[in-house]
Amino acid sequence: DAGVIQSPRHEVTEMGQEVTLRCKPISGHNSLFWYRQTMMRGLELLIYFNNNVPIDDSGMPEDRFSAKMPNASFSTLKIQPSEPRDSAVYFCASRYGQATNIAQHFGDGTRLSIL
Amino acid sequence: AQSVTQLGSHVSVSEGALVLLRCNYSSSVPPYLFWYVQYPNQGLQLLLKYTSAATLVKGINGFEAEFKKSETSFHLTKPSAHMSDAAEYFCAVRTPGNEKLTFGTGTRLTIIP
Repeated sequence: DAGVIQSPRHEVTEMGQEVTLRCKPISGHNSLFWYRQTMMRGLELLIYFNNNVPIDDSGMPEDRFSAKMPNASFSTLKIQPSEPRDSAVYFCASRYGQATNIAQHFGDGTRLSIL
Repeated sequence: AQSVTQLGSHVSVSEGALVLLRCNYSSSVPPYLFWYVQYPNQGLQLLLKYTSAATLVKGINGFEAEFKKSETSFHLTKPSAHMSDAAEYFCAVRTPGNEKLTFGTGTRLTIIP
């Protein structure tokens, strides 16, 4: 079975450019999460969706960050304009159901470098 | 509020020796606890989870963890380390009614040949 698919795997761009990260959750999963991982702050939850609806975006650092989930099989995380401090690994995870004991499944991440 | 603390950001063990990675949790209600492993340039993979059924939980790759309420701990163990166990390990907690999974800061495990 295909897992969570993220693209691109690596992105290097210059400060000020728009960056779009993509995620395809596991088919049938109805919750989707975006995380950011840095050495300084570890794993941070940015936003999550249930049934394509954003539920909690309190982890989104600034208005420069936005996320969408137009359908059950696709989500994007956009940074505009990008800054060097946005450099991190961004993970997408999905889960079926909302029961507390259900684990999330993670993609392999997008390593983002802003020069 | 829910949180986890992983003691030791780096742990080194010899190949064949016991692996012990420590995790303590804080929660006002009975928690669900998870251990994830992250190999270089990969996402997090679920090792095992505690969901209030049995206190001793067995996971993949020979790992297991024991939930101890009196100690608020959920330490991860493996009797005999293998070179392929070298990775970063994350403990995480979630409580009923809370959508968020809160991760610890991770422990990097190094295996000495």
